[in-house]
Formats: sequence, structure tokens, C-alpha cells
Amino acid sequence: GAGVSQSPSNKVTEKGKDVELRCDPISGHTALYWYRQSLGQGLEFLIYFQGNSAPDKSGLPSDRFSAERTGGSVSTLTIQRTQQEDSAVYLCASSYIGRGEAFFGQGTRLTVV
Amino acid sequence: QQPVQSPQAVILREGEDAVINCSSSKALYSVHWYRQKHGEAPVFLMILLKGGEQKGHEKISASFNEKKQQSSLYLTASQLSYSGTYFCGTEGGAQKLVFGQGTRLTINP
Repeated sequence: GAGVSQSPSNKVTEKGKDVELRCDPISGHTALYWYRQSLGQGLEFLIYFQGNSAPDKSGLPSDRFSAERTGGSVSTLTIQRTQQEDSAVYLCASSYIGRGEAFFGQGTRLTVV
Repeated sequence: QQPVQSPQAVILREGEDAVINCSSSKALYSVHWYRQKHGEAPVFLMILLKGGEQKGHEKISASFNEKKQQSSLYLTASQLSYSGTYFCGTEGGAQKLVFGQGTRLTINP
């Protein structure tokens, strides 16, 4: 596609429910990153992928968070048993080879009520 | 390790200059600079690589001191469109890109 696509753009869920956030990177980009941005805050690193493997999962806040990437393309971030503190904008970015310009998607705004 | 940015916020009048600093406690392979406007995704400005290579927009300038693990972004003759939050991102060789907390820049007419 022309850019990084994230879906859904907005998600409201009840506390305790599971959610899946999807990221479709730019075709051919080998590196894919997930970040979390709370209101007015910085970009909190969650996880990144090189191809389908995730060399560093240290940013995932708890074991309720998991992510996978298949076919070196689409990635899914799953949050189980959502809590109110999970409310934030989740941003995905991709880059070629991993050391070039990173392109960001528009993000998924998650609200846990 | 998250890089540290300074200042946290800057208010300028149109036409004034600003410098935003970024420092890391780890050896760096590259430094990235992005700007985010309210409600939008961050947009790439510049990347500075170890060894001196730079890629970015012509009107943006930045420096990278590899020995000190520091980078500075220079905004000259600021325009209203420069307003936003600036993030530096650092990569220490493992291709893990982490960002600082951001510097909020406000340009007034």
C-alpha cells in the first residue's frame, strides 16, 4: 500500500475484554515497530520485528500484551483482559532494512471503559 | 534506554531560532528526528548515521556527536508551520528505535 495502515482507527472496549490491533506496513519494509502514546506523552516503545521475529519484547508492559507478525507483513498486537490504564493511542511504524526512515500509521485510539 | 530531550518545551515568535537537544547513555548507531502535530502521526525529518551520513529534508539541519552520544536539531527562522512536538529517536545498533519524551514547540505570530 501507499502507507502504513492501522485498524481499527478507534476502539472502545469494556474492561476485561481482549482486543486486537492490526498494522499493515509498507510493502517490502522488513522492520516493524509498535509504540504506545498516552495523552500528551511521548512514544513508549513496545516491541519491534525484523521479518517475523521479535528480537526485543522488553517494552511490552505486561504478559497481557503480545504481538505477532506473519509473512513478514501484517502484525497484530493483542491485549488481553484490558485495563483502563491500557487506554492510549497505539502507533505502528515500518522501515526498510531497519535503519532508514520510519513511516508511521495513523494509530489506533483505544479506550477502555 | 530512552534518550533524554531538552528543553521539554519552547515558545518562539515567528522568525526566531531554536535548538533541541537529545542525549543518550548508550553508544548510538543512528539518531532520528520526527515532528508530530496534534492528532497526527509523527513525520520523519532527518536521520543521522554513525560515520557522518545524513538524510532528511533540506530545510532541517542537525548534528550528531558520536563520542558524546548527543544530537541537536536546529530550527532557524521558524515558521508557524514548525509548531508541534519534536521527538528524537535513537538506535544503538540492534535496530531497536526508541524515542525521547518529546519537545513541544510553539511558534507565535
